[in-house]
Order: sequence, then structure tokens, then C-alpha cells
Amino acid sequence: GAVVSQHPSWVICKSGTSVKIECRSLDFQATTMFWYRQFPKQSLMLMATSNEGSKATYEQGVEKDKFLINHASLTLSTLTVTSAHPEDSSFYICSARTRLTGELFFGEGSRLTVL
Amino acid sequence: GENVEQHPSTLSVQEGDSAVIKCTYSDSASNYFPWYKQELGKRPQLIIDIRSNVGEKKDQRIAVTLNKTAKHFSLHITETQPEDSAVYFCAASNTGSGYSTLTFGKGTMLLVSP
Repeated sequence: GAVVSQHPSWVICKSGTSVKIECRSLDFQATTMFWYRQFPKQSLMLMATSNEGSKATYEQGVEKDKFLINHASLTLSTLTVTSAHPEDSSFYICSARTRLTGELFFGEGSRLTVL
Repeated sequence: GENVEQHPSTLSVQEGDSAVIKCTYSDSASNYFPWYKQELGKRPQLIIDIRSNVGEKKDQRIAVTLNKTAKHFSLHITETQPEDSAVYFCAASNTGSGYSTLTFGKGTMLLVSP
């Protein structure tokens, strides 16, 4: 299947700093990428949909100024958690949709811990 | 928007038994129903999917059934093994809606005891 790479896999930062997470589709072009947040023992909650070359579409309740999403190319989307606070600590996962079949493939996930 | 309900939230079976997880969806326009397996701290992995033009699909010990009229679909795992223990998520989407946003169920934690 298609490969989606996410980096970093885990990050620890101080409160108030910003953290950038990268999501790359390695062997296919992804016009659309999705960012999810997952709390322990809970399901994946869609945060935003990232379309190449345009502004991301955010789900209700997700602050766009807090979670900056950039989709600069057909293989890369980034999520920047700005001025992170402990309540932002979570598992963030990206996914990319293949244009051909519509299947979704997930990145490895990034575990963010804000101290 | 789409709403996906998944049951049960936890399921414990003995090795060799069968396991069934059920999901219902609300949007009759949904036409793609994947199932994902997620081990602790890892990414969800697609294990099987079904599209609305098919009623059943099987891949070795895993099968999925879809009832469009009732708007529900189920995952069946036969001859369960300890390595099947994980959280399983169902999802639904409408692939004809521009971009296919998946709506996930809340997940089922499957525990297979040796």
C-alpha cells in the first residue's frame, strides 16, 4: 500500500513554544491530507482537511490560529501547534488520500507532550 | 453530517472464537466503509473495506458485511488469535463529495485470551 511518513514521532516541549509536525506521502501524490487528534482510549477526531495550494478547512471547535496547517506541495502537509500548552498534549495523526482509489493511509503519528 | 455508532466498546474472546463488531451510519450517501486496526501507540492500519455496491467481502479470517437498507455494517473475525488484540475502528465516507472525509466510530477494544 501507499506510504505516509510523519515526523517527529514524539516531541516534548515547554509550554508556550511552537511545534511543527510534518506529514509526507512518499510514493504518491496527495491532493488532500487530513489531520486527526487522538486522546488516550478514544477515537480519531478530525481536526482539519488540508488541500494542496489552498487554505485548510477546520472542523468546528478547532482553532485555526492555534493549529496552523500548510499544504505547500502534493506530498507535504505540516501542522504547527502554536504557543503549546499542556492541554495540547495528545497523539496527532495525519492521513493522505490516494487520488486513484480514495483510500486513506495514515502516518505513524506524533505524540506531543507539553510540559 | 455523518454519524457512526460502533458496538461493543470492548470485546473479550477466547483464542479460536469468532468476534463480531457492528457499526451503523446515518448518511445514506455514504458509500465507502473501511475498517482499521490500531495497536497501542501506532497508526491505524486498514484491514478491510467495502463499497456500497457490494454486500460482503472476505479476506482470509476477516469478513465485512454491509446492509445498505438498514445502514449498518459489521466486521467478522474468525479463529481469533492473541495478535488480533487491538482497537478496531469502523468508518464511513462519501467518496463522491469532493474529498472523502472519514467519520470514525468510537472504536472497539478486542482482547483475545490464549
